[in-house]
Amino acid sequence: AQKVTQAQTEISVVEKEDVTLDCVYETRDTTYYLFWYKQPPSGELVFLIRRNSFDEQNEISGRYSWNFQKSTSSFNFTITASQVVDSAVYFCALSAPNRDDKIIFGKGTRLHILP
Amino acid sequence: DGGITQSPKYLFRKEGQNVTLSCEQNLNHDAMYWYRQDPGQGLRLIYYSQIVNDFQKGDIAEGYSVSREKKESFPLTVTSAQKNPTAFYLCASRVVRGTEAFFGQGTRLTVV
Repeated sequence: AQKVTQAQTEISVVEKEDVTLDCVYETRDTTYYLFWYKQPPSGELVFLIRRNSFDEQNEISGRYSWNFQKSTSSFNFTITASQVVDSAVYFCALSAPNRDDKIIFGKGTRLHILP
Repeated sequence: DGGITQSPKYLFRKEGQNVTLSCEQNLNHDAMYWYRQDPGQGLRLIYYSQIVNDFQKGDIAEGYSVSREKKESFPLTVTSAQKNPTAFYLCASRVVRGTEAFFGQGTRLTVV
């Protein structure tokens, strides 16, 4: 069965601190995709990044970076020098296209950036 | 602008009534999805469709029904059989398997 676990329910940090959101996934498929989404208070999910199972290179986009490690089945997300606008709920998700067309989400991590 | 439109944004219904949530996309995406979000529960998949006139049950399909008569539209009906329908409902679409999904702004349904 496929599963995504985000063990951190809620995190609070002071502005300008770095913060890492954890994501652990389970799948028996060798081909799969991992995603991160941001849900601001407005409710709409905003796509941040997609990673396929064959590409373990870390990625950096501005203050955001992602660390994908197949050995530990993890796809962690780090925000550097956090800002108040980063406050949101963040979701990690998994999709295995050779199995079905489902996208499985974790329960999300609510991030509070305190001024 | 291309995107996914969910309507209405807020919906109130009396217990025992069926209600239909609208989801329209003009992205020419083949696959569409309905998720339910409850506090602390993340997003749970209700139904999804990969092609017109075909759809599959997700993890919590009981009490819901869908149709996919047009590529652009994937309406969700919350029936009276759904025991706890009050929730935030999100519709999404994506072009093919493995790509990222794009989401609508959601419909908050309250049953009183």
